[in-house]
Amino acid sequence: SQTIHQWPATLVQPVGSPLSLECTVEGTSNPNLYWYRQAAGRGLQLLFYSVGIGQISSEVPQNLSASRPQDRQFILSSKKLLLSDSGFYLCAWDGQEGGEQFFGPGTRLTVL
Amino acid sequence: DQQVKQNSPSLSVQEGRISILNCDYTNSMFDYFLWYKKYPAEGPTFLISISSIKDKNEDGRFTVFLNKSAKHLSLHIVPSQPGDSAVYFCAASEGDYKLSFGAGTTVTVRA
Repeated sequence: SQTIHQWPATLVQPVGSPLSLECTVEGTSNPNLYWYRQAAGRGLQLLFYSVGIGQISSEVPQNLSASRPQDRQFILSSKKLLLSDSGFYLCAWDGQEGGEQFFGPGTRLTVL
Repeated sequence: DQQVKQNSPSLSVQEGRISILNCDYTNSMFDYFLWYKKYPAEGPTFLISISSIKDKNEDGRFTVFLNKSAKHLSLHIVPSQPGDSAVYFCAASEGDYKLSFGAGTTVTVRA
């Protein structure tokens, strides 16, 4: 069966510090991968998606970047965090045919 | 501009009664619709979906209705149970893999 992992589960970082969140998927190959953010009281906002290694599409301009160094690994990064980067970050995957997406457990990021 | 809207941020329902969650969309090209359920500090889990060629899909206590002419879908939960208390997200896609999500509706089931 397929599983998706995210770490860390929670993170408190000072403003201006770098960020690296990791997501890995097991039990499938060549998945589509996604990064979402859920800000307090708001819905899920798609940040990045990837259809293959090294292929990243950005949905909104922001302080963040994403990379996919391996088929089942998706990384969300920032060189300098802003207060507005605080939120709940979710990684998700689906098959190449699309359909329902499966979400990881999420990372709660607090920028102070 | 938000293409999927859930205009009710919260819903309170008594245990055993029906919960009805509503969702409206603006993009007439959307052809696949989903509902997700989310508990605090967890990732959303898929509940039920419907394609635009159907107007109803049922799975146990959950039924999704689609009204394409009104660009409206709804999720019915019957009967509501305490474990149904969560945030419910409506989502839609237009033939590709990108989902557009609504802002969510928080459901509270009262004992």
